[in-house]
Amino acid sequence: QQQVKQSPQSLIVQKGGISIINCAYENTAFDYFPWYQQFPGKGPALLIAIRPDVSEKKEGRFTISFNKSAKQFSLHIMDSQPGDSATYFCAAGAGANNLFFGTGTRLTVIP
Amino acid sequence: GAGVSQTPSNKVTEKGKYVELRCDPISGHTALYWYRQSLGQGPEFLIYFQGTGAADDSGLPNDRFFAVRPEGSVSTLKIQRTERGDSAVYLCASSLMIGDGQFFGPGTRLTVL
Repeated sequence: QQQVKQSPQSLIVQKGGISIINCAYENTAFDYFPWYQQFPGKGPALLIAIRPDVSEKKEGRFTISFNKSAKQFSLHIMDSQPGDSATYFCAAGAGANNLFFGTGTRLTVIP
Repeated sequence: GAGVSQTPSNKVTEKGKYVELRCDPISGHTALYWYRQSLGQGPEFLIYFQGTGAADDSGLPNDRFFAVRPEGSVSTLKIQRTERGDSAVYLCASSLMIGDGQFFGPGTRLTVL
């Protein structure tokens, strides 16, 4: 049973474009929603995280939008760069303890 | 070395053998987590520690898997009687305290032949 559903599975964006990745969850006990970036052969790196008391959080080119009523959250990467090409995972957890991860989105940014 | 370190980076073993995977968390981090990542999938939670005690081991797939953290720092994940289905990347993460962001190590790639 997938606790967090992520889409799309893969995404191709032109350099300078906006990359958007979406996630949905069912468990209303979840109160922590991080996004991770993973390069091949490396561990996931924490990018940005949000808690349900805010609807949006921005850090540099990365923005999380959170819709509590719809139980959905998304990652927006502005001005996407070839160096952003990686696999992105959303996750959710209750109290940021054991996290449930999505299945990942492979992003390719074309120069 | 400010990050989480894991050793070995790769481990190849034969079916039925015993393996130990080691994790050194970020200095000062009290919480430590183990996840398993299969090819093309997201990490799957196994167990986490707050200090020396296992606070939640609900993700361990069966009793062949066991983890310890005797002094509240380094942790070892132990797998007995390995099976081919155990092949995966085993990831360790740590956080300053429970509820803080989790920072992952590079993982140990386990291959069971």
